[in-house]
Amino acid sequence: DIQMTQSPSSLSVSVGDRVTLTCQASQDIHKSLNWYQQQPGKAPKLLIYRVSNLETGVPSRFSGSGSGTDFAFTISSLQPEDIATYYCQQYDDLPLTFGGGTKVEMK
Amino acid sequence: QVRLQESGPGLVKPSQTLSLTCSVSGDSISTSHYYYSWIRQPAGKGLEWIGRMYASGITNYNPSLKSRLTISIDTSKNEFSLHLTSVTAADTAVYYCARDIEIIAGDYHSSYMDVWGKGTTVTVSS
Repeated sequence: DIQMTQSPSSLSVSVGDRVTLTCQASQDIHKSLNWYQQQPGKAPKLLIYRVSNLETGVPSRFSGSGSGTDFAFTISSLQPEDIATYYCQQYDDLPLTFGGGTKVEMK
Repeated sequence: QVRLQESGPGLVKPSQTLSLTCSVSGDSISTSHYYYSWIRQPAGKGLEWIGRMYASGITNYNPSLKSRLTISIDTSKNEFSLHLTSVTAADTAVYYCARDIEIIAGDYHSSYMDVWGKGTTVTVSS
């Protein structure tokens, strides 16, 4: 299985902060990477697919980049509703696998 | 608007079979070109992909669960189901169903879960 490692596992932020999360794959996954947001008690929500494509309706403050084994997810100016856990997910090979998540908390 | 809704027993005894159904509304499973996936999440932990099925009958299972797992589709009811046998406490989790879009065109490959159910909690306990 392809292992996905996210860092940090958690971070404390303030409204307006620029936040960058990283995701590393255990092997080359080309551009086969998605990002999901999970707010407490809710189902995951697709934010970005294929590294950098914003899902319809997702605010432009969210962005993604990378290829191969190293990927990044950025929130340009954090809003209160962005407090959540973020997961990366690879689809280059089956089984589909998720990273362990990064929990973004308010300071 | 496409919606998915999980249903099934919230409590299953160890060694028994866990059976869940995901009802799809707003789209026809039989005519869509999507996979339908199951994902689970133990309390306080991350997401684990269980497996998926295409309306044509193609299935992909997580090898870690394959020996105990069956995913099926009932196009007449517009729903798909998960059956996991010989459950233990380790199978206790919130179970989600999701629509899984896959596009392959030449060098372009895109695959993502864009619509999710709200999830249903399953506890394995005697």
